[in-house]
Amino acid sequence: GQNIDQPTEMTATEGAIVQINCTYQTSGFNGLFWYQQHAGEAPTFLSYNVLDGLEEKGRFSSFLSRSKGYSYLLLKELQMKDSASYLCAVRNTGGFKTIFGAGTRLFVKA
Amino acid sequence: DVKVTQSSRYLVKRTGEKVFLECVQDMDHENMFWYRQDPGLGLRLIYFSYDVKMKEKGDIPEGYSVSREKKERFSLILESASTSQTSMYLCASSFSRGLGSPLHFGNGTRLTVT
Repeated sequence: GQNIDQPTEMTATEGAIVQINCTYQTSGFNGLFWYQQHAGEAPTFLSYNVLDGLEEKGRFSSFLSRSKGYSYLLLKELQMKDSASYLCAVRNTGGFKTIFGAGTRLFVKA
Repeated sequence: DVKVTQSSRYLVKRTGEKVFLECVQDMDHENMFWYRQDPGLGLRLIYFSYDVKMKEKGDIPEGYSVSREKKERFSLILESASTSQTSMYLCASSFSRGLGSPLHFGNGTRLTVT
């Protein structure tokens, strides 16, 4: 079967660091994506990992371990505008299908 | 910037009606997708298309069909709407199925079937 798990909700404080975990079991793997979705808006692309290791992009970093079926998204220097849902998604081997987790709602408090 | 435009932001339809959801992208992307998004379930793939007139079933195609007559336009059709199809529908496109090609989403159509 195919399954992507991530926590339902997280709360963190402005200026802090938060790590959102994602574990996956899929029939094939052609990369893992993180998307951000503000309430009532479209998901937007944040990061992509296909090889093991850490990818850094400004305040956001994403890590992948293919052998463990595990990824995390790290958000540093949290801002109020980071309050959103974060979606973990895996693309299958054929390259057409992207499977999404249910998303993690992040609340950033002052 | 890629723009994916969905024709309606909100729709209310009656049970049994035929419903058309339209999506247009302006970046000459090969691939287009229809997802529905429900609380606690995330995004689920309904249908996708990798070329004009080509279509493939996703994970939950039952009760839906699609049409892609032109490269930039991908339509989702609910043949006979049911209350279980009340949901947020998101259209997306991607340049290729190659490594790292992300999905670009439209703003969604919130469909209510009464």
